[in-house]
Amino acid sequence: NSKVIQTPRYLVKGQGQKAKMRCIPEKGHPVVFWYQQNKNNEFKFLINFQNQEVLQQIDMTEKRFSAECPSNSPCSLEIQSSEAGDSALYLCASSLLGKDTEVFFGKGTRLTVV
Amino acid sequence: QQQVRQSPQSLTVWEGETAILNCSYEDSTFDYFPWYHQFPGESPALLIAIRPVSNKKEDGRFTIFFNKREKKFSLHIADSQPGDSATYFCAASHSSNTNKVVFGTGTRLQVLP
Repeated sequence: NSKVIQTPRYLVKGQGQKAKMRCIPEKGHPVVFWYQQNKNNEFKFLINFQNQEVLQQIDMTEKRFSAECPSNSPCSLEIQSSEAGDSALYLCASSLLGKDTEVFFGKGTRLTVV
Repeated sequence: QQQVRQSPQSLTVWEGETAILNCSYEDSTFDYFPWYHQFPGESPALLIAIRPVSNKKEDGRFTIFFNKREKKFSLHIADSQPGDSATYFCAASHSSNTNKVVFGTGTRLQVLP
């Protein structure tokens, strides 16, 4: 069972509002991923971290999205100015380093932008 | 560009039958191929995974068949049970697990009693 904790489970924001969601990775996992899963079940990779350092991120993330994984604090993903198209399930995942290690997903934050 | 293609989009089988879910990929440098399942309202969970050094991986009723030459792999669920009803995602990634996982578009499996 995954021990990745995401809060809140549900988030409703108006267009243009800021949306922030948090993730506590499984204890001891240095690698954290954020994915967006849309209503068609399609996954889109957003960003990943090793400890506090960003490894990869997509262009979309660089513009309105920001994320961080500070030491001793939850990781967070923030959308500066929400758009209707941002409505989706945002999944955080974490893993240990190394080959063949499992990636564990949290239950996600379902964002609805009205 | 869809790097991992999955079919069918939905599949219905009777209890006891074998469900076959298919995937193909573009990037020949992918070397880790997991399958996840996701129940409604739940997070994706790893079901089984394979590396290209093998062409088959079994875990109970679940078997991955892998064809490196054709860049295809499939999940066979033997003796399907109603509790197997879920959405199944194939995926691919590179060796280092710090690299992102690229997911297929999912197959919604329904197993009828």
